[in-house]
Amino acid sequence: GAVVSQHPSRVICKSGTSVKIECRSLDFQATTMFWYRQFPKQSLMLMATSNEGSKATYEQGVEKDKFLINHASLTLSTLTVTSAHPEDSSFYICSATMARDINQPQHFGDGTRLSIL
Amino acid sequence: AQKVTQAQTEISVVEKEDVTLDCVYETRDTTYYLFWYKQPPSGELVFLIRRNSFDEQNEISGRYSWNFQKSTSSFNFTITASQVVDSAVYFCALTMEYGNKLVFGAGTILRVKS
Repeated sequence: GAVVSQHPSRVICKSGTSVKIECRSLDFQATTMFWYRQFPKQSLMLMATSNEGSKATYEQGVEKDKFLINHASLTLSTLTVTSAHPEDSSFYICSATMARDINQPQHFGDGTRLSIL
Repeated sequence: AQKVTQAQTEISVVEKEDVTLDCVYETRDTTYYLFWYKQPPSGELVFLIRRNSFDEQNEISGRYSWNFQKSTSSFNFTITASQVVDSAVYFCALTMEYGNKLVFGAGTILRVKS
């Protein structure tokens, strides 16, 4: 079945560091990728929708200058948390879909646990 | 606007008990898709089932079964003869377009004790 690889799985870094998270669709072309954030013991909240070759669409309340999303190819989207602070510590999870194929559900990566000290 | 409500924050059962996780949704769309995902402690999301709004047939897969009722806007999930490995957070989710962004419920923590 379709596989989405998310890397890294865990990041621990100092406040002020920028962190890049990669989301790759390994065996299909992902026209659309989604980035979700999950705070401890909470639900998944959509941060942004990323379509290949165009600017990401951010949900209300998500700072686009803070969370930079690049979807340069049909198999790769990246989320960069710029100048990360402790409040950015969270579980980030991506999903990818080939929107034109209604038989393909969203495929989720395994998530990235980000801890900012 | 779309909304998914999982009123049960946490459920604890003893192994071999049956347990039902509730999901109530709100949408104005006539076409929509409902999902259930399992999130074990390791964090990844495991896809369990999808159901479109035109298919109200209940489904059974091993110990899992789902009851979709449009009249009450509910899509409940039952685990029969629960096992410790079923312990996880379970999310119900909704989208109006297949392959589009998902709206998740708050999740239900299921603890199965031996």
